[in-house]
Amino acid sequence: AQSVTQLDSHVSVSEGTPVLLRCNYSSSYSPSLFWYVQHPNKGLQLLLKYTSAATLVKGINGFEAEFKKSETSFHLTKPSAHMSDAAEYFCVGGSNSGYALNFGKGTSLLVTP
Amino acid sequence: GAVVSQHPSWVICKSGTSVKIECRSLDFQATTMFWYRQFPKQSLMLMATSNEGSKATYEQGVEKDKFLINHASLTLSTLTVTSAHPEDSSFYICSAALLGKIAGGQETQYFGPGTRLLVL
Repeated sequence: AQSVTQLDSHVSVSEGTPVLLRCNYSSSYSPSLFWYVQHPNKGLQLLLKYTSAATLVKGINGFEAEFKKSETSFHLTKPSAHMSDAAEYFCVGGSNSGYALNFGKGTSLLVTP
Repeated sequence: GAVVSQHPSWVICKSGTSVKIECRSLDFQATTMFWYRQFPKQSLMLMATSNEGSKATYEQGVEKDKFLINHASLTLSTLTVTSAHPEDSSFYICSAALLGKIAGGQETQYFGPGTRLLVL
C-alpha cells in the first residue's frame, strides 16, 4: 500500500480561518489517496479520495485536497474552519493492486472560537 | 450511502473470557471486510482482511488464534477476541469494501463506528 506521512500531529486554527492539514506520500506509481475524518467516539468518514482523475479533489463539508506529484503531497484544505470541524484527520494511502490501506498517524484539528 | 454497523459499541469483560464483535454492511454486499485496531491517540492498524467464504489474511504480528475472524456472508464478519487480556483493550474498527464499486482500481472502504473493548 501507498505510504503516507502526516506532517503535523496537532493543528489549531481560529473559527473562520483557513485550514491546512499536510500529507506527503511516497511511491513510484500512481497512488490512490484518501482523507478520512474521525469525530470523537464516532466512525471514520470519507472526506475525499484521489484516483488520478483530477489533481484537485473536492470533498464533503467544504474540504478539498490537491495532488501535487512534484511535491509528492496531498494536503487537505478548507477556506474557513467551523467549530464542527474539530476532529482527527487521517491521510490514507491505497494500492492499485488490492484493498490494503495505510493510515497516516493522524492530525488532530482544534478549532477555537 | 453505504452503511456499516458494529455490535456491540462498548464491551467490558473479565480477563480470560472471549468477546465477539460483529460487523455488518447494512445496505450493500461487501466482497471484503477489514478489521483494524486503534490504540488511544494513535492511528489505525490493519489486523486482518476477511473475504466471504475463505480464511482471513492476518497482518504480520497479529495472532490468528487469538483474533478469530469469520466471514459467513457478504454482509457479516465477526471478530472474536479469545481469552482476552488487559493488553487487548482497544478500539476495534471494521470496514467493508463495496462490491462492484471500483474507483481507479481501489475499492472504497466504508467504516463502522467501532467497538471499544475494555478487559479488566
